[in-house]
Amino acid sequence: DTGVSQDPRHKITKRGQNVTFRCDPISEHNRLYWYRQTLGQGPEFLTYFQNEAQLEKSRLLSDRFSAERPKGSFSTLEIQRTEQGDSAMYLCASSPRGTPSTDTQYFGPGTRLTVL
Amino acid sequence: AQSVTQLDSQVPVFEEAPVELRCNYSSSVSVYLFWYVQYPNQGLQLLLKYLSGSTLVESINGFEAEFNKSQTSFHLRKPSVHISDTAEYFCAVKPGYSTLTFGKGTMLLVSP
Repeated sequence: DTGVSQDPRHKITKRGQNVTFRCDPISEHNRLYWYRQTLGQGPEFLTYFQNEAQLEKSRLLSDRFSAERPKGSFSTLEIQRTEQGDSAMYLCASSPRGTPSTDTQYFGPGTRLTVL
Repeated sequence: AQSVTQLDSQVPVFEEAPVELRCNYSSSVSVYLFWYVQYPNQGLQLLLKYLSGSTLVESINGFEAEFNKSQTSFHLRKPSVHISDTAEYFCAVKPGYSTLTFGKGTMLLVSP
């Protein structure tokens, strides 16, 4: 069990550029979550997949954000036309099959995005 | 909607002293409660959780938290802290099938 991995760990980009992050969940975890964490705040939910289906999206997820999990394994989060306000730590978490209401989410190390 | 309040952004304490990190929540429905810990340069890790049953839950490294429904609180305590407990602690709630809502976190700073 290697844990949740995220790539890249750090990304610096210029305003207006597109960026894509990848998350590899723990093997056989069927649920995958994306969160955003800004300085001095706790993680804020962005979106959630069960297998390849995107079941829930936060209002924080503007139309510049898109997430996919095409084969129910890894997931990507793309931000188009980045803005300075997108600068944050983007966290991925996964949880195993079982009762979704009580599942424990396992977090990756995060991708820190800096938009100049 | 639900919300989590962690009033203390930073708690400095000396090694071997007791500590309490406060967490209050607001929700119109029943929730499950969690404490996550983030050590420097590491990802969030689950410390303990309350789902049902005994209102006092414990972690493997000596932390405990008590669910108080009337006060809508889930404070985290440890009778004697170590330097290695220095980390940021996040309280979170989860109403049933919805997703986690986190507080802003409390930085626990343990000094010798």
